[in-house]
Amino acid sequence: RKEVEQDPGPFNVPEGATVAFNCTYSNSASQSFFWYRQDCRKEPKLLMSVYSSGNEDGRFTAQLNRASQYISLLIRDSKLSDSATYLCVVLRGTNAGKSTFGDGTTLTVKP
Amino acid sequence: DTGVSQDPRHKITKRGQNVTFRCDPISEHNRLYWYRQTLGQGPEFLTYFQNEAQLEKSRLLSDRFSAERPKGSFSTLEIQRTEQGDSAMYLCASVGDVPYNEQFFGPGTRLTVL
Repeated sequence: RKEVEQDPGPFNVPEGATVAFNCTYSNSASQSFFWYRQDCRKEPKLLMSVYSSGNEDGRFTAQLNRASQYISLLIRDSKLSDSATYLCVVLRGTNAGKSTFGDGTTLTVKP
Repeated sequence: DTGVSQDPRHKITKRGQNVTFRCDPISEHNRLYWYRQTLGQGPEFLTYFQNEAQLEKSRLLSDRFSAERPKGSFSTLEIQRTEQGDSAMYLCASVGDVPYNEQFFGPGTRLTVL
């Protein structure tokens, strides 16, 4: 079993839809959590950090559930430009340490 | 542009040759990560540095791979006796202060081993 697992998708949604991704992690010592976005053949770009209390940035909401060891990303009012691969990443310690990425979930938003 | 640069952007080499890649992180960042990414996979952790100290190296990494960060600034990743399976995108990430731990990636070096 992989340390960090994501549903690879693809998720195909119409513009304006709400879509949610989950990411599960196996190491209970994990301390820092993030969502990254990666466009085809480009480097990953930070989308948002995930805090214990949950956090929101515009149309994006991230949640952390430590008890069940998963993080989630909710995208509201999907735009065509949201089409990308979404990667979750988990860091083992608060002072960085080994960083483990999931294999990503692919989202395609269609007109 | 994240402020992280990598050189070269593309490298084509023949099997058995040695290659070296360079990463220049954001100047005030003291932590630096190296990853390898192949199509359809997420970035795979290779190693990371805090200043000049290499604190962890993936067990998946064979002895053909070595990384340095001699003055705590730029870093190099060397692959000796390249194999076709080494073909991948090699990514470097620069990490700022604790507790934020946000990684900022360079554009990557795409390696093709013929």
